[in-house]
Amino acid sequence: SAVISQKPSRDICQRGTSLTIQCQVDSQVTMMFWYRQQPGQSLTLIATANQGSEATYESGFVIDKFPISRPNLTFSTLTVSNMSPEDSSIYLCSVEIGTDTQYFGPGTRLTVL
Amino acid sequence: GENVEQHPSTLSVQEGDSAVIKCTYSDSASNYFPWYKQELGKGPQLIIDIRSNVGEKKDQRIAVTLNKTAKHFSLHITETQPEDSAVYFCAASIKGGGADGLTFGKGTHLIIQP
Repeated sequence: SAVISQKPSRDICQRGTSLTIQCQVDSQVTMMFWYRQQPGQSLTLIATANQGSEATYESGFVIDKFPISRPNLTFSTLTVSNMSPEDSSIYLCSVEIGTDTQYFGPGTRLTVL
Repeated sequence: GENVEQHPSTLSVQEGDSAVIKCTYSDSASNYFPWYKQELGKGPQLIIDIRSNVGEKKDQRIAVTLNKTAKHFSLHITETQPEDSAVYFCAASIKGGGADGLTFGKGTHLIIQP
């Protein structure tokens, strides 16, 4: 498995501002993923972040709104830009260990006022 | 794209009884099916997974079965305990096909009654 940490664990932000979420893993991994979990809902994949290449976004998510960085094999950031109350969610990073197993971080709980 | 349906949305069982959660998927190319347990305020925790070349997998009180023909898979928890109370998510993905993200079901809130 892997030990994954996220910062911040929670935040309350004003609409129109941006928040950058950090994800750190204790071992080198090729594939990292970012998911969104809206209140009381399931998880939805935002994008796949591989080191050394541009992030791949899922339908409904765009780079201008959710820019992602992947500077090395243990770290990634997700920025939620120009926030609105609809962006209030839990944002989760995950890493792939081995050929297919994904492990999740604890999540960042974002509230936008 | 892949679509995963999960039932029931809420399941209440007596402590010691068994619980079964069922999922169906739409894309016959999906070949990896994990189950996650999420407790309040925490990230999802992988509890068991199965690949399409296997029909059943067991780990102590937890088992998963897969029917590729019918495109459904199920989670079985036996001898339930209070600490099993949580939200459980099934997921599916296509591994090795360049699309490795998971598609999740909507979740099942499992309540273990003492």
